[in-house]
Amino acid sequence: DTGVSQDPRHKITKRGQNVTFRCDPISEHNRLYWYRQTLGQGPEFLTYFQNEAQLEKSRLLSDRFSAERPKGSFSTLEIQRTEQGDSAMYLCASSLGAEKLFFGSGTQLSVL
Amino acid sequence: GEDVEQSLFLSVREGDSSVINCTYTDSSSTYLYWYKQEPGAGLQLLTYIFSNMDMKQDQRLTVLLNKKDKHLSLRIADTQTGDSAIYFCAERNTGGFKTIFGAGTRLFVKA
Repeated sequence: DTGVSQDPRHKITKRGQNVTFRCDPISEHNRLYWYRQTLGQGPEFLTYFQNEAQLEKSRLLSDRFSAERPKGSFSTLEIQRTEQGDSAMYLCASSLGAEKLFFGSGTQLSVL
Repeated sequence: GEDVEQSLFLSVREGDSSVINCTYTDSSSTYLYWYKQEPGAGLQLLTYIFSNMDMKQDQRLTVLLNKKDKHLSLRIADTQTGDSAIYFCAERNTGGFKTIFGAGTRLFVKA
């Protein structure tokens, strides 16, 4: 068990470009979450998957954001037409039950 | 709506106890958590408490919950320089999928 893995660790992109992040949860965990964290703030919920079904999406997740979890294993988060306001740390977490979330190290996105 | 508030900074001397406080608004919170984040890293779950408990102790960590006042605290005994980090209070209710986090308390431990 290597924990939750996220790739890449850092991403620098130009405004208007599309970016995709990947999250590999702990293998037996059926629940997967995406959060966004900006400097000086706590993580904010973006979306939640139970197996392959996306069960909840935050209003923070605009039409430019899409997340998938095909086959209920890894997940991808895509941001289209990036804006400077998208610059943040994108955190993935997974859990088996409802109580404990295990977080990855995050992907730091910088939009220039 | 749901909200979690914490003081922003705490500075202590090595060997002293640290107490980090948090208040929350959601009376239906079932789980209350403390997470630790070191620079450039994700969040590490330190401990959590169910809303039907008043206290939980785990080695150097003591969590106190005052459900009436919606107040949660984390006490770290014998604080070490390695405890310097950001500590996040968080809450979640049974029916929800999302965990609500505070803005974090930055703990500085002076040698």
